[in-house]
Amino acid sequence: GAGVSQSPRYKVAKRGQDVALRCDPISGHVSLFWYQQALGQGPEFLTYFQNEAQLDKSGLPSDRFFAERPEGSVSTLKIQRTQQEDSAVYLCASSLSVAGVGGELFFGEGSRLTVL
Amino acid sequence: AQKVTQAQTEISVVEKEDVTLDCVYETRDTTYYLFWYKQPPSGELVFLIRRNSFDEQNEISGRYSWNFQKSTSSFNFTITASQVVDSAVYFCALTEGRAGNNRKLIWGLGTSLAVNP
Repeated sequence: GAGVSQSPRYKVAKRGQDVALRCDPISGHVSLFWYQQALGQGPEFLTYFQNEAQLDKSGLPSDRFFAERPEGSVSTLKIQRTQQEDSAVYLCASSLSVAGVGGELFFGEGSRLTVL
Repeated sequence: AQKVTQAQTEISVVEKEDVTLDCVYETRDTTYYLFWYKQPPSGELVFLIRRNSFDEQNEISGRYSWNFQKSTSSFNFTITASQVVDSAVYFCALTEGRAGNNRKLIWGLGTSLAVNP
């Protein structure tokens, strides 16, 4: 489709497992964002890419979280040694404009991670 | 510090009623952008509107309207003649700076709207 696609939609992991979440942004979108949304909360910024460059990772909660976008399109958010507090919906968004400046963010449906 | 408050956690209305969702914000900057997003049960956030701090004109888009008042730091959202398809969680968000940089959006906790037939 033409929108932002995320996979898997649902992931259940045992505590300590590594997980990888994938985001396919809208073709041609320069900016890509990852957000974390806990139950009943608003999204919290994790990291931002401009093309393949990760320009801001200030929101990543720990060094267990790692994101990449090697060719400036698809992005992967990896969480190592998952813990229960990592349980959340992980939202990917893309924007045509640089840094999403003034522009509209297009969100995917999210990947819901449950850590047991 | 920046903060967005959506005091209404849940609202339930009957179809065709008008409903207003409140948003109050705090910011140190004189230049900022405010946003409303809709999150239906499917999960994706859908952009509704962006307003900069220099533009206090109210906006109407179909059944949706927004009332921005800097004097009270509020950016309220009204749905006229609500429909079942309006049922969703609605988020208000804020970003500071001239560029309206979406990178550092500060989000409210959302208001869950249920429109019953």
